[in-house]
Amino acid sequence: DAKTTQPPSMDCAEGRAANLPCNHSTISGNEYVYWYRQIHSQGPQYIIHGLKNNETNEMASLIITEDRKSSTLILPHATLRDTAVYYCIVSGIRRQLTFGSGTQLTVLP
Amino acid sequence: KAGVTQTPRYLIKTRGQQVTLSCSPISGHRSVSWYQQTPGQGLQFLFEYFSETQRNKGNFPGRFSGRQFSNSRSEMNVSTLELGDSALYLCASSLSPVLNTEAFFGQGTRLTVV
Repeated sequence: DAKTTQPPSMDCAEGRAANLPCNHSTISGNEYVYWYRQIHSQGPQYIIHGLKNNETNEMASLIITEDRKSSTLILPHATLRDTAVYYCIVSGIRRQLTFGSGTQLTVLP
Repeated sequence: KAGVTQTPRYLIKTRGQQVTLSCSPISGHRSVSWYQQTPGQGLQFLFEYFSETQRNKGNFPGRFSGRQFSNSRSEMNVSTLELGDSALYLCASSLSPVLNTEAFFGQGTRLTVV
């Protein structure tokens, strides 16, 4: 599975959009981009995933560049409860999720 | 519907003992994966089961094993426990290993080896 690169930490003001970047320059054609988050001491929570088109659900939007080498997770109106470690994962058909170190997002009041 | 259930939530064991952890997936989910999370190594994949067969295995010693039952419930076993096995063990379930759907994680079992 392709390796991902994320910034170790980011801050965001409450009520503002949080934009979390992820680089996955070695992604192959059949690999999806997944985003999970982990709030302290809980199991990871699925957020969204996509192949090449932008995706949106009730939690977030996922923007994937045309060359698929990077993506951005957007939380449109961040709240304090969105403070968590966010993991960007590229996974193929084998479905094994390889978690990196993720981005610690801190939403500030 | 009920989420992924892991039991027990907390466990304290002594070095050299063995331990069995249990995971009940979401109803209808047939794929169960196990992960180990430690502060130093992060989240690491242990193994995945589907239809009672192990499909994938991570880079862990043979002391770590698992199985899946016909009702999709899964257990993992760690024998001859070492201090370094202290970790949060997470189980995730999904519909099928060949569909790129989301995985749902349980709350985990916190194992402490003393």
